[in-house]
Formats: sequence, structure tokens, C-alpha cells
Amino acid sequence: DAGVIQSPRHEVTEMGQEVTLRCKPISGHNSLFWYRQTMMRGLELLIYFNNNVPIDDSGMPEDRFSAKMPNASFSTLKIQPSEPRDSAVYFCASSRTGWEANVLTFGAGSRLTVL
Amino acid sequence: SQQGEEDPQALSIQEGENATMNCSYKTSINNLQWYRQNSGRGLVHLILIRSNEREKHSGRLRVTLDTSKKSSSLLITASRAADTASYFCATDYGNNRLAFGKGNQVVVIP
Repeated sequence: DAGVIQSPRHEVTEMGQEVTLRCKPISGHNSLFWYRQTMMRGLELLIYFNNNVPIDDSGMPEDRFSAKMPNASFSTLKIQPSEPRDSAVYFCASSRTGWEANVLTFGAGSRLTVL
Repeated sequence: SQQGEEDPQALSIQEGENATMNCSYKTSINNLQWYRQNSGRGLVHLILIRSNEREKHSGRLRVTLDTSKKSSSLLITASRAADTASYFCATDYGNNRLAFGKGNQVVVIP
């Protein structure tokens, strides 16, 4: 398996633009997580899906953020409109719930810079 | 939200020395995990210790868990330059999500 695949790896955009980050989890994994990492706040859980259904989105900062998982092999995180404070590395991770006690496999991350 | 919290350390050690880092948490857990992150990469799972275990080994890694003190430690023995990374503890409170600490940066000098 190629692991968790995220795209784009780097994104530079201007304030106000829409940003879409993409994730392909590991085949067979039924849980998917979006995290955001910054120096100040560390690794924050934004949203978590189980069997394609959003279970907990309490970490989503505000209405500008939305996430979808239309099928078991694809998820998106969208920011509209983007702001400079959204600059961070966004990680997608997947796991097989009930198997290895929720051990996460992370993607390489998408580094977002909002100017 | 509650989360694992490492001692805020940046360790700089010589190759061959041991590196120890600690993590504390607030309430009962199902398990505690340690992850490594190399610069510019995603986190990689290293080892998991369940709440009913006290010590676990994996290669040069040794993890301990003290549930009475709500703390864990990660020991890397005979460090190598390739061990240079940030190390995170993550606590599983049984709600199917992990809470991560802010990480310890370890630099191993060849």
C-alpha cells in the first residue's frame, strides 16, 4: 500500500481564496482524521470520520472550514475564504478502528501558506 | 480538550547516548502511543502501551507507563543520528481519537 496520500504537498495562496486539500486513506481503513499542526498550538484534531460519516467536528475552527468524505477512499478539507492565520501543515491520518487500538497512519501533510 | 503533554524539552545528545522523554496526561486512558516526526514529514507510529501494561520494548525503544502518576516515558537507547526527530505522545481515552502532546525535539550529534 502506498500509505495515506495527501495533495497538494505545498499550497501558497492569497487571503480570501478557496483552498481544497485532498486525502486518500489506506485501503481497508474505516476511520479518517484531519489534523492541523502549528508551532504555537501543536497538533489539533479538526474532524474525524468513521465509515465515511463525520463523527466529531468540534475541532473545526469556524464555518470557513468544511470537510467531506464522499466515499471510503477520498476526503477533502476546504477553507473558504482562507486567512493568514490558517497557515499551517494539515495532516490526514487513517486507522482501522477496533484493530490495532486506533493506531494512526499519517500522510506527509499539506503545507498551506496564506499571504 | 485533554491531551498528552510532554515535558517541554529539546534534547541534544551525542550519538550512542540514551535519550529519555516524558509525557503526562489527565484522566484514565485505554492506551498511550508514541510517534516520531522527521522534519517535513508526517508522524510515524513507534510503540503502543496499553493501560494494563507497565513496560514495553521495541528494538532500542523502551516505554513505561505509570497509571497512578498518569505519566509515561520513552527511552531511546544507543541513539543514532537517524533518531534526530520530534517525538510525540498520544493518549487514547477510548473515544476513538488520539490527543497529541506538543512534542519533544531530539537532536543526536554524530
